[in-house]
Amino acid sequence: AQSVTQPDIHITVSEGASLELRCNYSYGATPYLFWYVQSPGQGLQLLLKYFSGDTLVQGIKGFEAEFKRSQSSFNLRKPSVHWSDAAEYFCAVGAIWGGSEKLVFGKGTKLTVNP
Amino acid sequence: NAGVTQTPKFRILKIGQSMTLQCAQDMNHNYMYWYRQDPGMGLKLIYYSVGAGITDKGEVPNGYNVSRSTTEDFPLRLELAAPSQTSVYFCASSSGGSETQYFGPGTRLLVL
Repeated sequence: AQSVTQPDIHITVSEGASLELRCNYSYGATPYLFWYVQSPGQGLQLLLKYFSGDTLVQGIKGFEAEFKRSQSSFNLRKPSVHWSDAAEYFCAVGAIWGGSEKLVFGKGTKLTVNP
Repeated sequence: NAGVTQTPKFRILKIGQSMTLQCAQDMNHNYMYWYRQDPGMGLKLIYYSVGAGITDKGEVPNGYNVSRSTTEDFPLRLELAAPSQTSVYFCASSSGGSETQYFGPGTRLLVL
């Protein structure tokens, strides 16, 4: 069955440091992959998505993610974190289940940014 | 272009009461979804719809009902509120099943 694992529940980094959030998926076919961000008290906003082609995907706010089929991973990176990046981040895979295509979300990684 | 809107923002219900959470989108999306979000659990799909008049159950449909009479609106109905339904509810829409989903701001529901 399709699933998404985000191994890190909570990550703390210092402002200006680099960031990598991990995401592993389980899905038999070629996946559609997404990263969403949720600021406190807000809905989810799309950061970036991978459908096909170049495995390094650029998103908004300086984020990028790399699709590695051999590792079933889609890790999110940012070279220099800003205090405004503090939020919860969700990885999702587009999969066919229950007879139609839907998104399966991971449980999220909460990012804290220290000044 | 308002995107996805949800009302109310916050509601307190007593056990056994009923209510409808409203969701509307102005992007002409065929697909609409209802999720609940509980701390540390990510998002769980309650119900979804692939077009007006077509709805189907997600992972956690018990205690909820939906209808989709128009493309724009997708209300979620709680018939007999229970404490286990205390959660944050998000509505989303997309142009296809694996396409980007656009989320509303959420409704925080407390059942006491």
